[in-house]
Amino acid sequence: SYVLTQPPSVSVAPGRTAGITCGGNNIGNKNVHWYQQKPGQAPVLVIYYDSDRPSGIPERFSGSNSGNTATLTINRVEAGDEAEYYCQVWDSDSDHWVFGGGTQLTVL
Amino acid sequence: QVQLVESGGGVVQPGGSLRLSCAASGFSFSNYGMHWVRQAPGKGLEWVSFIRFDESSRYYADSVRGRFTISRDNPKNTLYMQMDSLRTEDTAVYFCAIESPSGDYLTDWGLGTLVTVSS
Repeated sequence: SYVLTQPPSVSVAPGRTAGITCGGNNIGNKNVHWYQQKPGQAPVLVIYYDSDRPSGIPERFSGSNSGNTATLTINRVEAGDEAEYYCQVWDSDSDHWVFGGGTQLTVL
Repeated sequence: QVQLVESGGGVVQPGGSLRLSCAASGFSFSNYGMHWVRQAPGKGLEWVSFIRFDESSRYYADSVRGRFTISRDNPKNTLYMQMDSLRTEDTAVYFCAIESPSGDYLTDWGLGTLVTVSS
């Protein structure tokens, strides 16, 4: 089945830009969605259809998707952005919803 | 506002059974597909199962197919997961979540219920 690969961890200083990647075979041909999960909480959708933001999600969050890599970008990172981030696609070949392994974002 | 409340988790021995429930409110439950997603302790998210709004289709992860059964009661606004032949590797927090109207992604999630499979 389809596999999504994320780096285990990303560290960034406050106020800087964080980029979290999600790799997959021709992922640019799929719709990629991103979730934020803080410890002990349910996941929250932060980006859908590669680059759309749900209401209530700051404009600092953006996404892109091309080739074999999708990227979640967080501008002007804040301490409150520290969380685990997961990418997700729907694999039409298997009718499975697939999550990446998750990336822990640490704000230094 | 949308609310999803899971229940039914607990401790069960390997080979045992458990039924999870997810009570939905704040949206038109009968119009939306629903998912179960789980998260083993200290691990990432794993999609488990999906059911269409009208129960016309059900999908399962390979790891649970043949052991878990997803269902729903639209008049009661409730989603279920019957879990049989449980294994230690099924230990996880189980979340229910709403499928987006256009498909593909999960819009809202419950807080989850913990299932522990242990002898």
